[in-house]
Amino acid sequence: IQMTQSPPSLSASVGDRVTITCRASQGIRDDLGWYQQKPGKAPKLLIYSASNLQSGVPSRFSGSGSGTDFTLTISSLQPEDFATYYCLQDDSYPLTFGQGTRLEIK
Amino acid sequence: EVQLVESGGGLVQPGGSLRLSCGVSGFTFSDYHMDWVRQAPGKGLEWVGRTKDKARRHATEYGASVQGRFSVSRDDSKKSLYLQMNNLKSEDTAVYYCVRVFSDRSGNDALDIWGHGTMVTVSS
Repeated sequence: IQMTQSPPSLSASVGDRVTITCRASQGIRDDLGWYQQKPGKAPKLLIYSASNLQSGVPSRFSGSGSGTDFTLTISSLQPEDFATYYCLQDDSYPLTFGQGTRLEIK
Repeated sequence: EVQLVESGGGLVQPGGSLRLSCGVSGFTFSDYHMDWVRQAPGKGLEWVGRTKDKARRHATEYGASVQGRFSVSRDDSKKSLYLQMNNLKSEDTAVYYCVRVFSDRSGNDALDIWGHGTMVTVSS
């Protein structure tokens, strides 16, 4: 299953609302997670099963979608949110990541 | 505290072999699937493989690019995860992460705990 993530990069300001999308090459139900990675650090789970917020993750992060189209939304960007974001389908093997979205400060 | 600590990375020649280890603490290791995920320098994440929990008899799954060359295993008594890498290629150069797979009551999975990673460099 191919995961197409867009946009590849995004410039935004603190306080902005941001949306990142991920499209699967075939239906994956709601078997999708979103991960945040900062430079030199391991990825961190934000959202699982398309819309479930991982414990400890701020409520400004939300996920939606099912089937082939998914979105990650950050309602009001904070300085610590500038990072790279990846989607991951875990519907079938092999698991596959999107190419990533680099979120930069405008 | 839940911890995953990888070791065993280093420099290896093309065609060579290397075994990575991951020691875990803070949770019942045998109850969890465990994954390896890698990241080449400046590139995105790539799922490498999985060993399933004790209930599923430690069955394994692999990514297409490593199938037949890499082997994931575990020793529940030692709370350790392993990645045996054979016939290494330059494109296997990456940071390798050990990852716990979380499953909620509805059967939804997610990669919830990540180690800090260990670097593998394949070069002559």
